Amino acid sequence: QKEVEQDPGPLSVPEGAIVSLNCTYSNSAFQYFMWYRQYSRKGPELLMYTYSSGNKEDGRFTAQVDKSSKYISLFIRDSQPSDSATYLCAMKGASASKIIFGSGTRLSIRP
Amino acid sequence: EPEVTQTPSHQVTQMGQEVILRCVPISNHLYFYWYRQILGQKVEFLVSFYNNEISEKSEIFDDQFSVERPDGSNFTLKIRSTKLEDSAMYFCASSEAADRGYGYTFGSGTRLTVV
Repeated sequence: QKEVEQDPGPLSVPEGAIVSLNCTYSNSAFQYFMWYRQYSRKGPELLMYTYSSGNKEDGRFTAQVDKSSKYISLFIRDSQPSDSATYLCAMKGASASKIIFGSGTRLSIRP
Repeated sequence: EPEVTQTPSHQVTQMGQEVILRCVPISNHLYFYWYRQILGQKVEFLVSFYNNEISEKSEIFDDQFSVERPDGSNFTLKIRSTKLEDSAMYFCASSEAADRGYGYTFGSGTRLTVV
């Protein structure tokens, strides 16, 4: 079983739709959960960060973590064409310095 | 906004040659990292560096690789005797602290092509 699993997509939705992106993981030691956005040929850019279980909202973005199910989600409301990118989930243990990334979901928002 | 700067943006090298990828981390950050992303694959951790020594490394980071902070501003990744499979995007990152998941800033990457 892969440590972090993420559907690679591509996912195409119309402008204004609600987007749901998800990852599952197997390592119960993960404590920090992140979502990064990556544009073509650019480095990952941190979007959302959550510690342990719970929800976090920032503007149009909501991150959810369910540690009991080992499942994390990112919701994008009122999606815009500028949201078109690859979205990477990422996780980290409490004592580790390394971040483990999912494979990324390529998202396209159609005008 | 502070950023991590990587040079060059694209490096082409012949198989068997040595390359040095350079990074200038954010000035008040203390932890430095290298990640790589082979085309179409996930971003993979290579190594973390703190207080002038490696704090963690992955299985990928074998004797072919080394890191160095030669002065107060640069952080380098050296790849000796490059192989075709070393072709990838290499990302440098830095952070103020290693114990949290946020605060990591990634550079735009160096695309390494081994021919």
